[in-house]
Amino acid sequence: DQQVKQNSPSLSVQEGRISILNCDYTNSMFDYFLWYKKYPAEGPTFLISISSIKDKNEDGRFTVFLNKSAKHLSLHIVPSQPGDSAVYFCAASARNTGFQKLVFGTGTRLLVSP
Amino acid sequence: NAGVMQNPRHLVRRRGQEARLRCSPMKGHSHVYWYRQLPEEGLKFMVYLQKENIIDESGMPKERFSAEFPKEGPSILRIQQVVRGDSAAYFCASRRDGLRSSYNEQFFGPGTRLTVL
Repeated sequence: DQQVKQNSPSLSVQEGRISILNCDYTNSMFDYFLWYKKYPAEGPTFLISISSIKDKNEDGRFTVFLNKSAKHLSLHIVPSQPGDSAVYFCAASARNTGFQKLVFGTGTRLLVSP
Repeated sequence: NAGVMQNPRHLVRRRGQEARLRCSPMKGHSHVYWYRQLPEEGLKFMVYLQKENIIDESGMPKERFSAEFPKEGPSILRIQQVVRGDSAAYFCASRRDGLRSSYNEQFFGPGTRLTVL
């Protein structure tokens, strides 16, 4: 039962344009969401997070949007750079588990071409 | 300020042997998590530990797998009698103490890639 879904396995974008990565979830108890970036042979690197009390959080080139009614969140990267090429994972956690464990999506591989 | 450290980075075992994976959390972090990533899949939660205690092991296979986080030293994930299906990348993460939701941000180590021949 995949509670966090990233339906696009890959995305190709040109340098300077916007990258939009999407994530859907099914568990209504999730109320904290995170995005991680992962390069091959490395561990995931935390990028940005959002609590369910907000609908937007911004950090530099990265913005995460949360639509609770649709159980959907997205990560926007503007402008995209070749160094952003990596696999991006969406993750969720729930207050009723003390926010303890993260449930990950299967990832979206982003390729930013010069 | 060192990040989460894991060793070894690569581990090769034959079927039936034991695998021991080590994780040292970030300084000041007393919460440790282990996740497993199979090829082409996302990370799957295995176990959550605080110093000397297992808090949640709901993602851990019932047999052959165990984890500990002693008062002194790193956290250890132990896999006994490994089988080919145990081949995966095993990631450790840590987070700081506290109840604020933002403290749920977990910081990952580089992983141990286990290959079972």
